[in-house]
Amino acid sequence: AQSVSQHNHHVILSEAASLELGCNYSYGGTVNLFWYVQYPGQHLQLLLKYFSGDPLVKGIKGFEAEFIKSKFSFNLRKPSVQWSDTAEYFCAVNGAGAQKLVFGQGTRLTINP
Amino acid sequence: ETGVTQTPRHLVMGMTNKKSLKCEQHLGHNAMYWYKQSAKKPLELMFVYSLEERVENNSVPSRFSPECPNSSHLFLHLHTLQPEDSALYLCASSQTPAGVNDGYTFGSGTRLTVV
Repeated sequence: AQSVSQHNHHVILSEAASLELGCNYSYGGTVNLFWYVQYPGQHLQLLLKYFSGDPLVKGIKGFEAEFIKSKFSFNLRKPSVQWSDTAEYFCAVNGAGAQKLVFGQGTRLTINP
Repeated sequence: ETGVTQTPRHLVMGMTNKKSLKCEQHLGHNAMYWYKQSAKKPLELMFVYSLEERVENNSVPSRFSPECPNSSHLFLHLHTLQPEDSALYLCASSQTPAGVNDGYTFGSGTRLTVV
């Protein structure tokens, strides 16, 4: 069965700090990988996605993620965070042929001004 | 708005009540989903509908009953719920089952409180 693990439950940073949120998945075959963001009081929004090709994918708002197949990881990064990045971040995986997205438990990111 | 509309936004119900959650999308998507979001837990997939046919029921108690009358509408009928069912219920849709190549579009959710 597919599973997703986000090891950081709550991350607190100051503005301009660099960010890396961990995501590891468990699935032996081909996968599609996603990061979603949920700003306070808002709906889940797609940040970025990986299907194939270049393992370094760029998303909206300066975020990027790197797929490392050997480590079953898809970590989210941003070189310099802003206060407006305060939100909850969810990693999700969909195994090829599966008809569902499996989400991690989320990481709450708090950016102090 | 995301293109996926959920009503009501908030719902408080007693354990003996019957209520329904509604989800509507006009994105031309062929698949729709119900997820449950509880504090400090991963999003839990409840039901998957593809082309109006239920393709997955993720071991959800029978007090939750989904209905998909057409590709644009999805309901979640609730009856005799328990306090632990209090959560944010999210509806999502995608062009293809599992959102391959496009991911999911989520609604804003219904915040359910069972008293």
